[in-house]
Amino acid sequence: DQQVKQNSPSLSVQEGRISILNCDYTNSMFDYFLWYKKYPAEGPTFLISISSIKDKNEDGRFTVFLNKSAKHLSLHIVPSQPGDSAVYFCAASNRDDKIIFGKGTRLHILP
Amino acid sequence: KAGVTQTPRYLIKTRGQQVTLSCSPISGHRSVSWYQQTPGQGLQFLFEYFSETQRNKGNFPGRFSGRQFSNSRSEMNVSTLELGDSALYLCASSFLAGGNTGELFFGEGSRLTVL
Repeated sequence: DQQVKQNSPSLSVQEGRISILNCDYTNSMFDYFLWYKKYPAEGPTFLISISSIKDKNEDGRFTVFLNKSAKHLSLHIVPSQPGDSAVYFCAASNRDDKIIFGKGTRLHILP
Repeated sequence: KAGVTQTPRYLIKTRGQQVTLSCSPISGHRSVSWYQQTPGQGLQFLFEYFSETQRNKGNFPGRFSGRQFSNSRSEMNVSTLELGDSALYLCASSFLAGGNTGELFFGEGSRLTVL
């Protein structure tokens, strides 16, 4: 039962363009959503989060959008840089419960 | 301050053996969560410990167990290893428990290969 779904295993984007990574969830009880980034041979690192009371959160080049009615969130990276090439994990939780991760999307930034 | 430390980083076992993995959280963090990462399955939640108590458990068989000590260090154990247990096991710590903050600090993982 995949409660957090990242349907695109990989994505290739030209350097300088916008990268959009998508995530869908099924559990309406989730009230906190996060994105993590993972490089090979390293543990995931926290990137950005959003509470269910908001529909947008921005941090530098990274913006997360939340559409609660569609149970969908997306991560926008503008402009994309070579160092952004990594696996991105979407995650969700409700307070006092475990954090559930998606399967990840591998982002390739092309020169 | 020092990050999350996992030992060993790599290990090879054979089917039927058991393995113990160790995790030292960031100083002051009382929550430790364990995840299994396999190709195509992403990060699957194993369990979470907070102040020596298991708070949450994922959908893994009883062969997977864990514990947390009074200094917040945690161990996980897998008994009667199967080939499918080959994976990267990630430990993550946080100051608060569960999804209260969402921001987990991960170690580099322990890569287990079962032959």
